Amino acid sequence: NAGVTQTPKFRVLKTGQSMTLLCAQDMNHEYMYWYRQDPGMGLRLIHYSVGEGTTAKGEVPDGYNVSRLKKQNFLLGLESAAPSQTSVYFCASSFYEKLFFGSGTQLSVL
Amino acid sequence: QQQVKQSPQSLIVQKGGISIINCAYENTAFDYFPWYQQFPGKGPALLIAIRPDVSEKKEGRFTISFNKSAKQFSLHIMDSQPGDSATYFCAATYPPNDYKLSFGAGTTVTVRA
Repeated sequence: NAGVTQTPKFRVLKTGQSMTLLCAQDMNHEYMYWYRQDPGMGLRLIHYSVGEGTTAKGEVPDGYNVSRLKKQNFLLGLESAAPSQTSVYFCASSFYEKLFFGSGTQLSVL
Repeated sequence: QQQVKQSPQSLIVQKGGISIINCAYENTAFDYFPWYQQFPGKGPALLIAIRPDVSEKKEGRFTISFNKSAKQFSLHIMDSQPGDSATYFCAATYPPNDYKLSFGAGTTVTVRA
């Protein structure tokens, strides 16, 4: 039972480069979320989706875009990476209030 | 600006001791208060949760104490074990809010054998 799977696990980018983080869940959950985790700041919500074809902004959406073309997948894109986007990114899906997290993507922007 | 303030940032406890982590909130609309546990290299996982209609919830060695009037809640880890060494996050949400959680900053707990 895979749960929530994130790819890649690690990535190093140069400033200005773009990339897409992929999240896949096999629990048939409607709600999906992207969080970033930074030391001393906990987890902050970037964007989220309440169902296939929907997206909404979270707490820190600037510099990121998302898409939810299929119910099981939620993509997070960085169009022009900046050093401030160096972080650990977590995807989650929810069953009511209970969130299920993936194991994270560690992103470094040089 | 974090809606949930968590303390301490870190703590060290001896095996068998009690670990206590505190959280405070301002938004009185919050009605669900979970704690998540995160091991290094892993994503957070739900540990225990409480709603404001009860003052305490216990699951094994983990207990949430909730004080609605003070707008505070805390996690107590009894008989702490080395396997409890992890980062703990408190969080809160309210309906209808698409189940979006506001997280505290996290507490790193180290249990010394």
